[in-house]
Amino acid sequence: AQSVAQPEDQVNVAEGNPLTVKCTYSVSGNPYLFWYVQYPNRGLQFLLKYITGDNLVKGSYGFEAEFNKSQTSFHLKKPSALVSDSALYFCAVRDLSGGYNKLIFGAGTRLAVHP
Amino acid sequence: DVKVTQSSRYLVKRTGEKVFLECVQDMDHENMFWYRQDPGLGLRLIYFSYDVKMKEKGDIPEGYSVSREKKERFSLILESASTNQTSMYLCASRSTGTQVERRRETQYFGPGTRLLVL
Repeated sequence: AQSVAQPEDQVNVAEGNPLTVKCTYSVSGNPYLFWYVQYPNRGLQFLLKYITGDNLVKGSYGFEAEFNKSQTSFHLKKPSALVSDSALYFCAVRDLSGGYNKLIFGAGTRLAVHP
Repeated sequence: DVKVTQSSRYLVKRTGEKVFLECVQDMDHENMFWYRQDPGLGLRLIYFSYDVKMKEKGDIPEGYSVSREKKERFSLILESASTNQTSMYLCASRSTGTQVERRRETQYFGPGTRLLVL
């Protein structure tokens, strides 16, 4: 079965420091991977995705993610964190089981960026 | 740009009431989804629809039903609300047509409805 794991409930980082939010996946076949962000009391906003091509994917708000097939990981990164990056981040993987194209989401990681 | 709207941001209902959550998208997307979001559990798929009048059960359909009479609208129905259905409900849509790379396979979400069942 397809699955995705976010091993950290919360990540704390100082403003200006690099940040990493971790995601690992388990899929059969080629993975389609996504990152979404949720600001307080808002819906999810799409950040970036990996479908094929370059392992380093660039997305919105200066975020990027690296697809690593050997480690089955798709960690979200940003070189210099902003306080406004504080939010809930979700990793997701495409699931084709049952013949339907759906997403499976991780439990989410809360990012707190401190001034 | 893609816009997905949900009828209510906050809703308070009593146990046993019938509850309707409405979702509308303006991009002519074929696929629409209903999720619930609970702390520590992420998003869980309740129901989805691949086209008008089509619906499929997701991972947690019990206690819910859906309706898709028009392409742009996907309704989630709680036939008899219970306290364990207190949650954040998120609607999403996705196109299956030929899309530019930046939109392919991407689900677009509404702002969510926070439902409290007393």
